[in-house]
Amino acid sequence: DTGVSQNPRHKITKRGQNVTFRCDPISEHNRLYWYRQTLGQGPEFLTYFQNEAQLEKSRLLSDRFSAERPKGSFSTLEIQRTEQGDSAMYLCASSYDRGLEYGYTFGSGTRLTVV
Amino acid sequence: AQSVTQLGSHVSVSEGALVLLRCNYSSSVPPYLFWYVQYPNQGLQLLLKYTSAATLVKGINGFEAEFKKSETSFHLTKPSAHMSDAAEYFCAVSEGIQGAQKLVFGQGTRLTINP
Repeated sequence: DTGVSQNPRHKITKRGQNVTFRCDPISEHNRLYWYRQTLGQGPEFLTYFQNEAQLEKSRLLSDRFSAERPKGSFSTLEIQRTEQGDSAMYLCASSYDRGLEYGYTFGSGTRLTVV
Repeated sequence: AQSVTQLGSHVSVSEGALVLLRCNYSSSVPPYLFWYVQYPNQGLQLLLKYTSAATLVKGINGFEAEFKKSETSFHLTKPSAHMSDAAEYFCAVSEGIQGAQKLVFGQGTRLTINP
């Protein structure tokens, strides 16, 4: 069990550019979550996958955001036409189906800075 | 919708002193409750969770939390603080036990340990 892996750890981009982040969950976990954490705040839910199906999206996830989880393995989160307000830590988490009982494992996050 | 309130954005204690971090949640039904710790530039690490079993929950690193339904509280304690406990702590509550089973986080409490 190598934990949840996120790449890159840090990303600095210019406003208007597109960025893509990757999350590799724990292999046995079929649930995958993306959260966003801004400075001084707790993480906020963005979206959730059950295997390859994206089953819920937060209203925080504007049309510029898209997430995929092909084949139910790794996931990518893409932000198009980045804005300064997108600067945040993007956290990925995975769990078994009974995540509430077994807990969620978080990755170390990708810190995005939009300049 | 669920909400979590962590009283005190900053808590400072002396090494060896009692640590008490407060968390109150809003829920009409007993939820699942979690405490996570976050070290600088790291993801979230699960400290402990309440899943409707014993109301006093023991976690890692000597931390424990008590679920009090009548007070809708889930305060985190540790009898004797260690320098390595300095970090950001987040209380989280489950929103729904079906579907996404996502977590709603408080704003966090930064714990500082004075030598």
